[in-house]
Amino acid sequence: GENVEQHPSTLSVQEGDSAVIKCTYSDSASNYFPWYKQELGKRPQLIIDIRSNVGEKKDQRIAVTLNKTAKHFSLHITETQPEDSAVYFCAATRYNNNDMRFGAGTRLTVKP
Amino acid sequence: GAVVSQHPSWVICKSGTSVKIECRSLDFQATTMFWYRQFPKQSLMLMATSNEGSKATYEQGVEKDKFLINHASLTLSTLTVTSAHPEDSSFYICSAHDLRRPYEQYFGPGTRLTVT
Repeated sequence: GENVEQHPSTLSVQEGDSAVIKCTYSDSASNYFPWYKQELGKRPQLIIDIRSNVGEKKDQRIAVTLNKTAKHFSLHITETQPEDSAVYFCAATRYNNNDMRFGAGTRLTVKP
Repeated sequence: GAVVSQHPSWVICKSGTSVKIECRSLDFQATTMFWYRQFPKQSLMLMATSNEGSKATYEQGVEKDKFLINHASLTLSTLTVTSAHPEDSSFYICSAHDLRRPYEQYFGPGTRLTVT
């Protein structure tokens, strides 16, 4: 089955700086890579996703890059704000989601 | 659109009792729902995949006789934790898969289970 590794486990940045979180996956058949933001005691919220037919996707301050050959993908948050502080999870799965696996999570702290 | 609800949002039960958690897709039909467990400061761990009208598929290490899953309709899946013990205390989250959007999962708000 799929195995997803995520680094770093914790990340602290100053407000306005960029934050980068990296994930690797093992199953070359995975073709959908979502990123979730989870605040304490709440459900994961999808913030951005990428499919295997593209290498990069951007949505305002958030971008995701995918390297299929190396089997890794990254989340980039620019101009970080204190409200970006949360736990971020990457995931990898295939079409129809029958085997979505999550990374271990990254606790991002943005200091004002 | 694509709203998933869970009930209850939190529950406290005594050791040895059973607890049922409901997961509903409110505005779409979900042939597949997923149950996750999340311990404090840890990731979401897939417990089982629930398919409407058939038996659930459990992940390795998850006791199917302890975590009973029923997916009797296209909008409802239930997870029953039988003979709960303190180590079953966790945050249980369901998600549902909308066939119209085959890549995405929609998460419920989660249920905090505390077994005393």
